[in-house]
Amino acid sequence: DTAVSQTPKYLVTQMGNDKSIKCEQNLGHDTMYWYKQDSKKFLKIMFSYNNKELIINETVPNRFSPKSPDKAHLNLHINSLELGDSAVYFCASSQATGNFAEQYFGPGTRLTVT
Amino acid sequence: AQSVTQLDSQVPVFEEAPVELRCNYSSSVSVYLFWYVQYPNQGLQLLLKYLSGSTLVESINGFEAEFNKSQTSFHLRKPSVHISDTAEYFCAVRRGSQGNLIFGKGTKLSVKP
Repeated sequence: DTAVSQTPKYLVTQMGNDKSIKCEQNLGHDTMYWYKQDSKKFLKIMFSYNNKELIINETVPNRFSPKSPDKAHLNLHINSLELGDSAVYFCASSQATGNFAEQYFGPGTRLTVT
Repeated sequence: AQSVTQLDSQVPVFEEAPVELRCNYSSSVSVYLFWYVQYPNQGLQLLLKYLSGSTLVESINGFEAEFNKSQTSFHLRKPSVHISDTAEYFCAVRRGSQGNLIFGKGTKLSVKP
């Protein structure tokens, strides 16, 4: 069984479009995250959600908006896509915030903006 | 501010050779340290972590890492690598109970026959 899943795996779109990436976890975790991995493989956290509340936002442009319909899902919506948004986006989840909260990662979504 | 430095972007080695992937961090407070592995076209998997206690931590597939507070390092080692160890390895640090995971830029380990 897949623990953290993301759809789609690949997403190619044009500048200016609006797109969403979906994430689901079946681990019963209460915290979910979105990370961006750029072309140089650098990983940076974008958001985390705990019990439907945004608890971290790392200076991400407001074109990016996380949406959590329930504890098992954290979708990422991106408005007015730009070339610089091209990256691999990873979803992750953990049981709780705290020192021992191991994060489980999804397989990633490769977004290409043309 | 915290930072994580992985000194080598690429490490090519032959099969059965030993390997060390270096990681240094900067932080003025206690941290928790992690190594994640990313196999080609896959997500990240936790390899091992240091939270407290023994400074030497081991993974189930033969990797180990040693927390060295005086040198602010958490280098990853394996005495004999396999082809299947070919992957990208990320060192990460977490500060305190509410801290983010801060990742290094990764080291690509390429194991050749």
